[in-house]
Amino acid sequence: EAGVAQSPRYKIIEKRQSVAFWCNPISGHATLYWYQQILGQGPKLLIQFQNNGVVDDSQLPKDRFSAERLKGVDSTLKIQPAKLEDSAVYLCASSLDRIDEQFFGPGTRLTVL
Amino acid sequence: DQQVKQNSPSLSVQEGRISILNCDYTNSMFDYFLWYKKYPAEGPTFLISISSIKDKNEDGRFTVFLNKSAKHLSLHIVPSQPGDSAVYFCAASALGGADGLTFGKGTHLIIQP
Repeated sequence: EAGVAQSPRYKIIEKRQSVAFWCNPISGHATLYWYQQILGQGPKLLIQFQNNGVVDDSQLPKDRFSAERLKGVDSTLKIQPAKLEDSAVYLCASSLDRIDEQFFGPGTRLTVL
Repeated sequence: DQQVKQNSPSLSVQEGRISILNCDYTNSMFDYFLWYKKYPAEGPTFLISISSIKDKNEDGRFTVFLNKSAKHLSLHIVPSQPGDSAVYFCAASALGGADGLTFGKGTHLIIQP
């Protein structure tokens, strides 16, 4: 069974630029999550989707971050404009349903200069 | 405000001995607890979980203990093996696991030969 796919794996941008990350969850998984992991911290939930609807985006900085899962399958996370403090690994995870085990992708490491 | 705390950034244990990783939480709404293991440049992988209706769950060399009154859980690995060297994250969720996960900062476990 293929795992959660993320791209790109690494991205370096300058502050005030925009960036987008892509996630393809495990086939058939209804729930998709985006987490932000800053160096030395644990992952922090940014947004949770159930199919193509948002379950929880309370920790998403909506003035600069946006995320969508239009067809209930893959998802994109965008930052516009980026700040220095956005430097982190962005992890995508998926689960069969909300109470099931979450499987994580390898993450995208973002460096904002 | 950290709702899940792992107070030991690192732990060194001799091969063959028991590794004990600790985690404390503050949010009384948490009712489902998990441990994840993470190798460098990879996403976290699920290790073991426990529901708040139990006080112990065992899976092979891994056992998780939950003390609800103390809001404390621990992960025991016995015997410890070199492949266990990784960062271990404690995570918690409400609604029986239907919520997104709240992670601790992680403990870097080093198994020495």
